[in-house]
This record gives sequence, structure tokens and C-alpha cells, in this order.
Amino acid sequence: DVKVTQSSRYLVKRTGEKVFLECVQDMDHENMFWYRQDPGLGLRLIYFSYDVKMKEKGDIPEGYSVSREKKERFSLILESASTNQTSMYLCASSLPQGAPYEQYFGPGTRLTVT
Amino acid sequence: AQKVTQAQTEISVVEKEDVTLDCVYETRDTTYYLFWYKQPPSGELVFLIRRNSFDEQNEISGRYSWNFQKSTSSFNFTITASQVVDSAVYFCALTASRGTYKYIFGTGTRLKVLA
Repeated sequence: DVKVTQSSRYLVKRTGEKVFLECVQDMDHENMFWYRQDPGLGLRLIYFSYDVKMKEKGDIPEGYSVSREKKERFSLILESASTNQTSMYLCASSLPQGAPYEQYFGPGTRLTVT
Repeated sequence: AQKVTQAQTEISVVEKEDVTLDCVYETRDTTYYLFWYKQPPSGELVFLIRRNSFDEQNEISGRYSWNFQKSTSSFNFTITASQVVDSAVYFCALTASRGTYKYIFGTGTRLKVLA
């Protein structure tokens, strides 16, 4: 059974803190994604990685960075958390773009920045 | 530019009613793929279906059915005889065929099925 796990379901951090959100998939997928989900805005892509150490900016990369040192793990980093980064963060993975495949999602991390 | 519109923000139905969730898309690509995902209260989006632009056949899977019409750029999702377990947020998504990692998601439709 395919599985994408995220390190925390709920996280509360203070403004200015450095925040790490971890995502692990066990399907040997090349592609991994980080989205944020906000009411009325749907899912917006933050960053994408198509291979180890490879990354591409999505639609809203400002204030975020990512790390992919191993194929199964994709980390999202908030360098200095701000209140406008309070959101639900979703990680996903998929097979490579031969033909677009469906994405498999983790359960999400609800981050609150106070 | 690509765009997915789910105009229905929230729908409430009584159990056993049929319900249709609308999805309208925009793209200039001739080859593209459409998806539906379900997000139950647990938060994890679950893949339901993928359809490519060359396949306009309707799909039925149990109580779920999908109507893809290129002429109206729509990919609507119908649940027949709805159940309380169908309560979730449903997302429609679009991506081009190749050379892109971008999946464009709609804003989602929250379905509430009342017992």
C-alpha cells in the first residue's frame, strides 16, 4: 500500500523560528511536491523536486526553501516563520512525467505561527 | 494559462440523494489530463480518477460517475445515492501532457451529506 507520511499533524511555532516540515514516501517515486492549502484558494504549489538534490520553484516559493538529500525524503523549510505562513501543508509524490500520473498525498501538517 | 474552476463552494444533500460536482477547466494544450481527488476530514487527498483529453468516454465506478465533455470544457463528478461517508472536500485538477510538473487544482467543493 502506497504511503506518504509527514512528520507532524499539528505544529505551533513562534514568529521568526526556523521550521522544518518532513515528508517521506515509500513508493520509490521520483517526483515530490509541497503544497499549501488555504480556504478558498485550493492547493498552491510551493516547490517541486524531480530527483535527489533537484528542485524547482512553484507558484509561491517566497519564504520557503526545500531539501532533498534522499529520494524518499523531501523537506520544506520556513527560514523565519511568519504569521501569514499559518496554513495546511501537504506533501505529495508521483511517478515521473512520462504521462502525468496521479499524486499520492500525505495527511498534511497544520502549522500555526503565533 | 491553465485554470480550473469549481464554482460550487459547498453543497449539502440528504443521504441517498444524487449530487453532481462541477468542474470547468481552461487550457490551450491539446493534450492534457484531468483528475478528481477526495479530501475527507482526516486531511489526506485521495486519488479518484484520471482522464486524458483523448478519452471522452464517461466512467462509472460503483456509485461514482464522471462526465467529460470537451465541448464545454467540463469534467463533472456525480455521486449516486450519496452516503454520509461521502462527506468531504472534492478537488478537480488539470495538468498538461508532458514537460510540466504543474498540477492546477480548483478551489474545491465541500460536500456535506446529512443523515
